[in-house]
Amino acid sequence: EAEVAQSPRYKITEKSQAVAFWCDPISGHATLYWYRQILGQGPELLVQFQDESVVDDSQLPKDRFSAERLKGVDSTLKIQPAELGDSAMYLCASSHRDRGIDTQYFGPGTRLTVL
Amino acid sequence: GQQLNQSPQSMFIQEGEDVSMNCTSSSIFNTWLWYKQEPGEGPVLLIALYKAGELTSNGRLTAQFGITRKDSFLNISASIPSDVGIYFCAGRWAGNNRKLIWGLGTSLAVNP
Repeated sequence: EAEVAQSPRYKITEKSQAVAFWCDPISGHATLYWYRQILGQGPELLVQFQDESVVDDSQLPKDRFSAERLKGVDSTLKIQPAELGDSAMYLCASSHRDRGIDTQYFGPGTRLTVL
Repeated sequence: GQQLNQSPQSMFIQEGEDVSMNCTSSSIFNTWLWYKQEPGEGPVLLIALYKAGELTSNGRLTAQFGITRKDSFLNISASIPSDVGIYFCAGRWAGNNRKLIWGLGTSLAVNP
């Protein structure tokens, strides 16, 4: 069964450093999402791509976060500089529209710890 | 913004018991999804509901899309230890079909 791949699974960094996360969606899924999940809460959408275009980045802290999906397939989320409050699970999800229905499938996530 | 109220916040039950959890909204939703998340992993889709009144099963799990379109419930029958995890409801608000709104989760612990 096809899955969303993410790497790394765990990342420990010091504040003010740069970090990057990678996501490879399920083949054929045009829509890709990056979420941030703080412990004890539900996922919070950071950015949504349709193919290579951003369709929603209203919750992305653009002063330090950036995301790209240059060829409309895999995607990278970057934080520069990292802050202590960025410690969280970063989840990638993908979906495609089938008969008007759009269901998101998640990867295993990247657990970020900022020291 | 739109919010989902998910309850209970946590449950501690004996193996073999049935479990019920629900999600409510003040607005009409046109999609309800139920996910399970285990520690250190991403959410896994359990059941998706797309029509008011729809009742769908997945093994020991059953979920329903409320008739008012403002609520959904998830039942787990005859719980087993591997049911442990956090169960999230998520839905699409009729006013913004693109965005998924999430509940805060129900943490389930099962005592063998």
